[in-house]
Amino acid sequence: DAGITQSPRHKVTETGTPVTLRCHQTENHRYMYWYRQDPGHGLRLIHYSYGVKDTDKGEVSDGYSVSRSKTEDFLLTLESATSSQTSVYFCAISDGSKGQPQHFGDGTRLSIL
Amino acid sequence: AQSVTQLGSHVSVSEGALVLLRCNYSSSVPPYLFWYVQYPNQGLQLLLKYTSAATLVKGINGFEAEFKKSETSFHLTKPSAHMSDAAEYFCAVSNSGYSTLTFGKGTMLLVSP
Repeated sequence: DAGITQSPRHKVTETGTPVTLRCHQTENHRYMYWYRQDPGHGLRLIHYSYGVKDTDKGEVSDGYSVSRSKTEDFLLTLESATSSQTSVYFCAISDGSKGQPQHFGDGTRLSIL
Repeated sequence: AQSVTQLGSHVSVSEGALVLLRCNYSSSVPPYLFWYVQYPNQGLQLLLKYTSAATLVKGINGFEAEFKKSETSFHLTKPSAHMSDAAEYFCAVSNSGYSTLTFGKGTMLLVSP
């Protein structure tokens, strides 16, 4: 299995509080991605990174920011959490070669009350 | 823009029966196509991928998929369902330079004894 660790695995917080989710990889892959999974929507891309300090927005980036200060870590921040951001968040990694798949972490279940 | 349509949010089969999960894609360039499986409370696991080497692709756990360009389809099949196949299945397409994936909304496979 690809070495991807997401933390925390579960979190409950209140509306308006900041939240940071961490994704750590041991594969030295260049590309990292954050998705959210919601019933009936599949997985939707929030942000992705194609190198240290190189990030770009995905389909559902509003309300989220990311940072990547080193190859192995990709942080997702909700500056002021809202109930609509209650979801399961997945990190994925890829070496970026065309046709190569992404490998996924086990997810973080985030509940915002 | 690329997109994926999975026909049927739920598919029910009996143990031993044929499994057919449908995926249609749209892409302006030759696509890379993937099937992932997700077991409860887990991340996504790659089942198989199409990268233009062969139109019939074999994956893990006895699954296979056939790429049909004329039908823009990449349906997933398995000759004989097992109880352990019960899970959610996602089809995804990639053709961008940053290897981003666009996912279908998923199909839940239910297997009855």
